[in-house]
Amino acid sequence: QSALTQPRSVSGSPGQSVTISCTGHSTDVGAYNHVSWYQQHPGKAPKLIIYGVNLRPSGVPDRFSGSKSGNAASLTISGLQAEDEADYHCSSYAGSSTSYVVFGGGTKLTVL
Amino acid sequence: EVQLVESGGGLEQPGGSLRLSCAASGFTFSGYEMKWVRQAPGKGLEWISYITGSGLSAYYADSVKGRFTISRDNAKNSLYLQMNSLRAEDTAVYYCARSTGHYATDYWGQGTLVTVSS
Repeated sequence: QSALTQPRSVSGSPGQSVTISCTGHSTDVGAYNHVSWYQQHPGKAPKLIIYGVNLRPSGVPDRFSGSKSGNAASLTISGLQAEDEADYHCSSYAGSSTSYVVFGGGTKLTVL
Repeated sequence: EVQLVESGGGLEQPGGSLRLSCAASGFTFSGYEMKWVRQAPGKGLEWISYITGSGLSAYYADSVKGRFTISRDNAKNSLYLQMNSLRAEDTAVYYCARSTGHYATDYWGQGTLVTVSS
């Protein structure tokens, strides 16, 4: 069982927006502004798309945005494109030596 | 260009040992904290270990503590994961990963598959 809770799947049509939720706890998401999101295509390594709740690494389109409220974080993808179809994983710093970083179970995004 | 290349995965029996290696290039290896993250088949990501740039401090998830040991050789730009007392539930793709700001991971290796089965 993953420490952070994500929906197993979401879907949207090209051009639409989708939001993926990530529910944590007062000891991880709620305690720190250190939420990250990763995109993973089948058979590939994850790719960092959001860090520090709402910061984008160089090269990541501004169609990807992140936010946080309380113990929950969200990733919004606007102007959906076919290549956005992938698994998305949220992560948060959790502040302890045995729970340093925690992940969600991942969400499969289907572009209809 | 930053590159992380893992090796050492394979099939091992329960109770056995494996040593994973990760060859880093394209950046000043000693200046970065590193992690091992694994992904069981069809499952999400799981952080299992972290090491500081100097190698003096390391952390482990409860699921591997006492069985796995992370280490690094900054002279060889290499990260290692010694895995002992392997269990079936350790079966996963193991990723070597570089830490960045906000405890995120900005570069990942291609992963190496570890299968624990009799």
